[in-house]
Amino acid sequence: QVQLQESGPGLVRPSETLSLTCTVSGGSINSYSWSWIRQPPGKGMEWIGYIYNSGSTNYNPSLKSRVTISLDTSKDQVSLKLSSVTAADTAVYYCARVTSKWYDFHYYYYMDVWGKGTTVTVSS
Amino acid sequence: SYELTQPPSVSVSPGQTAKITCSGDALPKKFAFWYQQKSGQAPVLVIYEDNKRPSGIPERFSGSTSGTMATLTISGAQVEDEGDYYCYSTDRGGNVYVFGSGTKVTVL
Repeated sequence: QVQLQESGPGLVRPSETLSLTCTVSGGSINSYSWSWIRQPPGKGMEWIGYIYNSGSTNYNPSLKSRVTISLDTSKDQVSLKLSSVTAADTAVYYCARVTSKWYDFHYYYYMDVWGKGTTVTVSS
Repeated sequence: SYELTQPPSVSVSPGQTAKITCSGDALPKKFAFWYQQKSGQAPVLVIYEDNKRPSGIPERFSGSTSGTMATLTISGAQVEDEGDYYCYSTDRGGNVYVFGSGTKVTVL
């Protein structure tokens, strides 16, 4: 059974870069695509982006200029970097395994296994 | 930007049926997915590809679509089904993914 564990600083200063790591255990990181999602306090969820098993990425247009998602297959880790953070980036950040399906000439991607999430606060 | 619209809240008595709707212009052509999030916990996938149930999800959870609306139905709702429910899908271009605004389900 695959398990995901997010880790990283719980406090980030405004204008700095938020860096989080998701460690994957119990499964092959190469066989799947991966995603990051966030949830501000008391609010709904926001898709941040995907990194496909091909290595290509797809980001939420509203965050695209500040986001980088990458893989370290030697460590079975998925990383998230979000630059120039503000208080609006305060949220619980989740990583998730992504399953894909080819249908009607199009790939669909969705999250089927989630980590427990890690809380990041942006404050001076 | 693409949006999926859900009602903020749904209340149901134990044993009754709860229906949660999700409206989006691209839904006639794109799959809908549903996630359950209980208080303080990570989301759990309860319906994928409009109407399929992952292993371990009770049969009382079902999904359907009609036109621009997807619906999650909880038949015979239990107290343990309380939580927030989010639909999830992609826009017409198939590259931007969004969550619905979320629906708080209360069983009392």
